[in-house]
Amino acid sequence: EAQVTQNPRYLITVTGKKLTVTCSQNMNHEYMSWYRQDPGLGLRQIYYSMNVEVTDKGDVPEGYKVSRKEKRNFPLILESPSPNQTSLYFCASSFGAGGPSEQYFGPGTRLTVT
Amino acid sequence: AQTVTQSQPEMSVQEAETVTLSCTYDTSESDYYLFWYKQPPSRQMILVIRQEAYKQQNATENRFSVNFQKAAKSFSLKISDSQLGDAAMYFCAYRRDSNYQLIWGAGTKLIIKP
Repeated sequence: EAQVTQNPRYLITVTGKKLTVTCSQNMNHEYMSWYRQDPGLGLRQIYYSMNVEVTDKGDVPEGYKVSRKEKRNFPLILESPSPNQTSLYFCASSFGAGGPSEQYFGPGTRLTVT
Repeated sequence: AQTVTQSQPEMSVQEAETVTLSCTYDTSESDYYLFWYKQPPSRQMILVIRQEAYKQQNATENRFSVNFQKAAKSFSLKISDSQLGDAAMYFCAYRRDSNYQLIWGAGTKLIIKP
């Protein structure tokens, strides 16, 4: 089954404790992206990747890191989480970045930082 | 900078009736894509319909259609014969041509009354 998976689905952590949210897709997609969703704000892009070893900042990259060592994986790293990073996080992927390419979304990760 | 505005935080419709969700956007680009995504209570983001700006014909997918007014920068979604399963948050999104980033509206919560 073609899908984007994220782990964990739910995470409660404390300020300053490093964490990683994994994202993996099995569709051989080139483009991958991380978004955060906050009430009243829609989704905002954190980082994106056009291909392996190619990553770039979105609109809200502060406090986050990413890497793209393999085509299928695009982990999101919070080196020192803070309460303002409490949010719902989505990973998405698409075959290409432009044209009519549809972005496929993972199920989301609900992160709470206390 | 591109922005996307959904002016209706919440809409309700009687089952089997028709409802229209509004979306306006601001851009200086001439070619771009617009999308409507649905987010049911499961939180999964599901593509409903897409529209390419240079195509004048409005996109249609079964009971879902758009009214795309390029000059007015308006992209509304019409849902015909509303069903209980249509209850969800609906997000309008614009894809930036320069880096393929999706810019999202704040969302409209659609309630279906049985």
